[in-house]
Amino acid sequence: EAGVTQFPSHSVIEKGQTVTLRCDPISGHDNLYWYRRVMGKEIKFLLHFVKESKQDESGMPNNRFLAERTGGTYSTLKVQPAELEDSGVYFCASSVGTSSVEAFFGQGTRLTVV
Amino acid sequence: GQSLEQPSEVTAVEGAIVQINCTYQTSGFYGLSWYQQHDGGAPTFLSYNGLDGLEETGRFSSFLSRSDSYGYLLLQELQMKDSASYFCAVRSPDSNYQLIWGAGTKLIIKP
Repeated sequence: EAGVTQFPSHSVIEKGQTVTLRCDPISGHDNLYWYRRVMGKEIKFLLHFVKESKQDESGMPNNRFLAERTGGTYSTLKVQPAELEDSGVYFCASSVGTSSVEAFFGQGTRLTVV
Repeated sequence: GQSLEQPSEVTAVEGAIVQINCTYQTSGFYGLSWYQQHDGGAPTFLSYNGLDGLEETGRFSSFLSRSDSYGYLLLQELQMKDSASYFCAVRSPDSNYQLIWGAGTKLIIKP
């Protein structure tokens, strides 16, 4: 069974450009989460989808970030326009249920904004 | 505010036992989880404590004391492959039950 996959693994963009990150969760997992880790700091929650609906987007930093999960399968996270402070590793995770103890993570997308 | 504290780095010798502590400060509590992450890899779930006490899974154990807002991860018979970062994370009603994470502990194992 395929795990959570994220694309691209790395992205280097200039300030002001747009970047779209993609996450394919484990098949059958209704819950999908986006997280971000800035170098050396804690992993921070961004948002949570249940199927195609945004269950919780309280962690989204600002309106430059837009997440979608059309059809309840894969999800995209777009940053437009990117700023220097957006640099970090963006993780996606999925789980079967909202109260599932275990979440399955992807390897992350390392975003560098220069 | 809500926060988790864990040591930034721990060094141990192969074959030894190491304990990684985690203290949390949250307005509510709904379980403590531990994840392992190798460099460049995906965080991987290790254990979960919803109630006080010790949970054992092979060489790894995790402990929770809710009255002390404290938990730890115990790794026994350390192997070189255990070199990784270890994160504690808490679910709290005040974070809409989303995971609040510590900054991670880098475990360095020496031969």
